[in-house]
Amino acid sequence: EAGVAQSPRYKIIEKRQSVAFWCNPISGHATLYWYQQILGQGPKLLIQFQNNGVVDDSQLPKDRFSAERLKGVDSTLKIQPAKLEDSAVYLCASSSVDTQYFGPGTRLTVL
Amino acid sequence: KQEVTQIPAALSVPEGENLVLNCSFTDSAIYNLQWFRQDPGKGLTSLLLIQSSQREQTSGRLNASLDKSSGRSTLYIAASQPGDSATYLCAVPPPRAGSYQLTFGKGTKLSVIP
Repeated sequence: EAGVAQSPRYKIIEKRQSVAFWCNPISGHATLYWYQQILGQGPKLLIQFQNNGVVDDSQLPKDRFSAERLKGVDSTLKIQPAKLEDSAVYLCASSSVDTQYFGPGTRLTVL
Repeated sequence: KQEVTQIPAALSVPEGENLVLNCSFTDSAIYNLQWFRQDPGKGLTSLLLIQSSQREQTSGRLNASLDKSSGRSTLYIAASQPGDSATYLCAVPPPRAGSYQLTFGKGTKLSVIP
């Protein structure tokens, strides 16, 4: 089966610019997650969707980050405006039950 | 709040050695624990998932154990190979049923020297 797809793979922007990431989960997976992984750290959950509803966004910096899940399938994560500390890898994952399957991630560099 | 710690942060071993990676967690009320592998520039690959009712889980040369009462898990890799070089992360979900939000450790970076 096809895995979790993410695009773009790399993005370089200047601070205060906007950026958007896209994720296509494994077909049939109801749950979708966005994680932020700063260099040398483990991934930190930003937001969890169940179908097209938000289950947990307690660690999402809502003043600059937003996310949506279109029709309970694809998802986009947006940062507006970006700060230097947003430089990280943004990982998307999906699951049907216990095991989460991760995409390759988008490496964001904010200059 | 759950905290997950992994020791050591980095490990270098010669090819063929057996090795153990350690993971500890502060809240023992977990219902499973998962080990992942992350290659440079790549996403995470699930290696093993141990349910709270299990003590061990095996996949090929990998064996993971779980001791909930002491808040510890170990990942044992037998006969290490250069292809095992990667960062290994452990993660636990919160204790409430139906939530799969994972808390990760910072990982152990493993280098297997040919």
